[in-house]
Amino acid sequence: GQQVMQIPQYQHVQEGEDFTTYCNSSTTLSNIQWYKQRPGGHPVFLIQLVKSGEVKKQKRLTFQFGEAKKNSSLHITATQTTDVGTYFCAGDMIKAAGNKLTFGGGTRVLVKP
Amino acid sequence: DGGITQSPKYLFRKEGQNVTLSCEQNLNHDAMYWYRQDPGQGLRLIYYSQIVNDFQKGDIAEGYSVSREKKESFPLTVTSAQKNPTAFYLCASSIASTGSYEQYFGPGTRLTVT
Repeated sequence: GQQVMQIPQYQHVQEGEDFTTYCNSSTTLSNIQWYKQRPGGHPVFLIQLVKSGEVKKQKRLTFQFGEAKKNSSLHITATQTTDVGTYFCAGDMIKAAGNKLTFGGGTRVLVKP
Repeated sequence: DGGITQSPKYLFRKEGQNVTLSCEQNLNHDAMYWYRQDPGQGLRLIYYSQIVNDFQKGDIAEGYSVSREKKESFPLTVTSAQKNPTAFYLCASSIASTGSYEQYFGPGTRLTVT
């Protein structure tokens, strides 16, 4: 079936360091969304990428959509303790009905102060 | 204050009992979704509804049922046929079902079946 894979599953980061999490789809996506879930909380929308090769920034977060629209990445610069949580990518498959997103397994980020 | 509400936050049931989880939204969204999240896992789609009185199975619909009699409400019933019902259940909504829109999530219901 159609799958969205995320790596790494866990990311331990020293406060102040940078890291990147990757998202790969088995099929071409019409767009990709990223969500953040704080411990004990619910997913909150961060951003949507639609165009091939698109890059968007939100303060210390940089999101990129691959040229083939099958992969994406999230890069966080100068990690802070507020970045703790699980980051999910969610792909909207081409021809999927009803805004049906396929979520990746998430990257759980732990920050060491 | 607009948003999605789910109740209760924690729910405990005995094996063999059906249980219904509530999801209400006042965002005037057409589309609503139910996801299941297991510890350390991603979100898996159970059912979704694009419009009132219509819904479709997601990837793991077996053992679950839904209804969409009102635009603002999308309750999920976990039946006794669901073999492993203990999980965190999240309801979400989006403006429309066509195109691509962000999904707004409720706070979730943590169901424990013993």
